[in-house]
Amino acid sequence: DTGVSQNPRHKITKRGQNVTFRCDPISEHNRLYWYRQTLGQGPEFLTYFQNEAQLEKSRLLSDRFSAERPKGSFSTLEIQRTEQGDSAMYLCASSLSPDRGQPQHFGDGTRLSIL
Amino acid sequence: AQSVTQLGSHVSVSEGALVLLRCNYSSSVPPYLFWYVQYPNQGLQLLLKYTTGATLVKGINGFEAEFKKSETSFHLTKPSAHMSDAAEYFCAVTSGGGGSQGNLIFGKGTKLSVKP
Repeated sequence: DTGVSQNPRHKITKRGQNVTFRCDPISEHNRLYWYRQTLGQGPEFLTYFQNEAQLEKSRLLSDRFSAERPKGSFSTLEIQRTEQGDSAMYLCASSLSPDRGQPQHFGDGTRLSIL
Repeated sequence: AQSVTQLGSHVSVSEGALVLLRCNYSSSVPPYLFWYVQYPNQGLQLLLKYTTGATLVKGINGFEAEFKKSETSFHLTKPSAHMSDAAEYFCAVTSGGGGSQGNLIFGKGTKLSVKP
């Protein structure tokens, strides 16, 4: 169990630029989640995948955000035309089948700073 | 809709003292409940979880929590605080009820400080 890996750990970019983050889940986990965490708040759900299928998207996920998990393994989260309000920690988590009460395992996150 | 309320954004205790972090939830269906800990610039680490069965659950690092349905609470305790316990703690509930865990709904967190 190598844990959930996220890259990059930090990303600084100018407003209006596009950014892409990568998440490598624990290998046998079929569910993958993306959350966003702003300063002083708990993580907020963005979207999740069951294998390669994106099953749910939050209202927080505007049309500037897109997530993929093409082969049911790693996932990418892209933000187009970044805005100041996108500055946050983006967390990825993975889990086994939920019906057995399996917990979500989190990566260390990607911290995005918009200049 | 489900929600989580953590009372007290900041709790300070002396080393060796009891730690009590409060969590109340709202759910129309039996929930799965979790406590996570977050150290600075890191992700969240699972402390413990409640799904079904015994209402007192034990986790890592000496923490435990008790599920009280009548009070809709899931408070986190540790008998004796250690300096290494200083971190932020998050209570979370599943969105889809106990039978089909989807995304987690988190409280705003409680920052625990431990004084020597």
